[in-house]
Amino acid sequence: NAGVTQTPKFRVLKTGQSMTLLCAQDMNHEYMYWYRQDPGMGLRLIHYSVGEGTTAKGEVPDGYNVSRLKKQNFLLGLESAAPSQTSVYFCASSHGQGVNNEQFFGPGTRLTVL
Amino acid sequence: GDSVTQMEGPVTLSEEAFLTINCTYTATGYPSLFWYVQYPGEGLQLLLKATKADDKGSNKGFEATYRKETTSFHLEKGSVQVSDSAVYFCALSLYYGNNRLAFGKGNQVVVIP
Repeated sequence: NAGVTQTPKFRVLKTGQSMTLLCAQDMNHEYMYWYRQDPGMGLRLIHYSVGEGTTAKGEVPDGYNVSRLKKQNFLLGLESAAPSQTSVYFCASSHGQGVNNEQFFGPGTRLTVL
Repeated sequence: GDSVTQMEGPVTLSEEAFLTINCTYTATGYPSLFWYVQYPGEGLQLLLKATKADDKGSNKGFEATYRKETTSFHLEKGSVQVSDSAVYFCALSLYYGNNRLAFGKGNQVVVIP
């Protein structure tokens, strides 16, 4: 099993450009999440999904959109990138709701917006 | 709202030293508590967890006990190695919160040979 994979690993954008980050998991997990990691801020939840076809906002959703058309994929879109979106983005997945649930993380995408 | 607080600043210590990283939490329900570790250039991975008061999570020589009375989940290791150099995050998950995690800001641990 590959676990959680993310594409691309690195990307540099100019302000105003758009891009899509792809997250894929092969563990048949129901729940998927997108986080951003910034120095001194820990991880902050952007959007999440509790199943195919569903999405919900997290702590910092502004400037991002997501889609979960297939259970195994969770896409994060930036329609018009801004320098404030320079960050490392992590995707995670979990089986579903429950006290023993663990989130499995991908290796991250480092995005720089100039 | 629900939140996790970790001690400020990086932690630098010598090999074989004792490590403690403090974590306290605020939650309205009965959260599960986690420690995640992030090695350089990698994603987070679960180090240990505890799901109810007085539970002790342990893994790779690390331990943490869920203390409801002090709302704490401090991470400890008796003798660290250079390979333990990483960033450590404390997190909580609410049972009815769609399994969302609230993370602390993380602590960089550097172990010097």
